Amino acid sequence: DSGVTQTPKHLITATGQRVTLRCSPRSGDLSVYWYQQSLDQGLQFLIQYYNGEERAKGNILERFSAQQFPDLHSELNLSSLELGDSALYFCASSVDGMLTYEQYFGPGTRLTVT
Amino acid sequence: AQSVAQPEDQVNVAEGNPLTVKCTYSVSGNPYLFWYVQYPNRGLQFLLKYITGDNLVKGSYGFEAEFNKSQTSFHLKKPSALVSDSALYFCAVRGRNFNKFYFGSGTKLNVKP
Repeated sequence: DSGVTQTPKHLITATGQRVTLRCSPRSGDLSVYWYQQSLDQGLQFLIQYYNGEERAKGNILERFSAQQFPDLHSELNLSSLELGDSALYFCASSVDGMLTYEQYFGPGTRLTVT
Repeated sequence: AQSVAQPEDQVNVAEGNPLTVKCTYSVSGNPYLFWYVQYPNRGLQFLLKYITGDNLVKGSYGFEAEFNKSQTSFHLKKPSALVSDSALYFCAVRGRNFNKFYFGSGTKLNVKP
């Protein structure tokens, strides 16, 4: 168990809908990362937050947004969903400082868009 | 542009034999390097990292990796493979001057009894 929790574990929804994925980082970690993993595109970095502020942005679509709250949990919002958004979404957390950058991953949320 | 390459989609090894999973990177400056393992339907698990110091780093489950600056490589190794090592392995890099992580495409390791 990495200490990172993600809810829900599975999500099935229809095209055009909006969903919210939730992540709670390991105790003491200030940094949260979001990734998308699909069969044909490997692991794609979406966005990183550090202590409530956006720190780095990857290949995140405009239909997607995220935030990190004062208690350090994070939410990834996916809107106007398309079939191609079906994937595993991972959250990871890290200390991200003091030469400690390794990330600890949650179990993921499997999103199926029908 | 920063990138990480895992040139082999799949590596097949017999149990008890040594294994190597290859990783090369292209990052400006000196990088931080990582290996992760992913079992089916699970999140990635951190195996080991190179930050500074000794080029040979040891990690979890008997794995080790060697940082080679001249060849810009960070290959994952294990002296004696186990069937339970069969999984998907990812190499990742983070630059010292930027925050993004770059992951390789993953290498599927198959260890046969």
